[in-house]
Amino acid sequence: QKEVEQDPGPLSVPEGAIVSLNCTYSNSAFQYFMWYRQYSRKGPELLMYTYSSGNKEDGRFTAQVDKSSKYISLFIRDSQPSDSATYLCAMREGAQKLVFGQGTRLTINP
Amino acid sequence: EAQVTQNPRYLITVTGKKLTVTCSQNMNHEYMSWYRQDPGLGLRQIYYSMNVEVTDKGDVPEGYKVSRKEKRNFPLILESPSPNQTSLYFCASSPGLAGGRAGETQYFGPGTRLLVL
Repeated sequence: QKEVEQDPGPLSVPEGAIVSLNCTYSNSAFQYFMWYRQYSRKGPELLMYTYSSGNKEDGRFTAQVDKSSKYISLFIRDSQPSDSATYLCAMREGAQKLVFGQGTRLTINP
Repeated sequence: EAQVTQNPRYLITVTGKKLTVTCSQNMNHEYMSWYRQDPGLGLRQIYYSMNVEVTDKGDVPEGYKVSRKEKRNFPLILESPSPNQTSLYFCASSPGLAGGRAGETQYFGPGTRLLVL
């Protein structure tokens, strides 16, 4: 079993829809949770960062962490074609290395 | 401009021919790392370095070497490449792993696409 599981998609939704992206994990010691966005032919870039449980909002993006269920989510409101990318969850325990999910390819259709 | 650069961006080589992919960052970051990205497997860490002369294995280090003689450079060496090392490689750097947003903001290079025949 992988430490971090993420549905690879692809996921295709119409413009304006609410998008929900999810990851589950098995290591209960993970404390830091991140979402990276990767456009085609580019390196990943940090989108959202959360420490421990709870919600964090940044514009149209909301990250949720539920440590009791070992489940994290990224919500995108009012999705735009420019949001089309691969989204990778990542997490780590203390000062250890990052562990990434497989990435979900998202397409927003105009 | 703050950035991580990798060279070459694209490389086609043959089995057994040693190659080096260079990585350089201009942000004075302590932490640097190499990943490979394969379809269905996501990003997997090959090696990382906490600082100069300090390197450690990631999840998939077999067949790779690294060195960290200077803070800004972290080359990835394939002594005898094999076809299963065909992949997309990313170098990344961050201020450290102490936690907090700064520590989580890993800056990724543009990627090196390697094909080993």
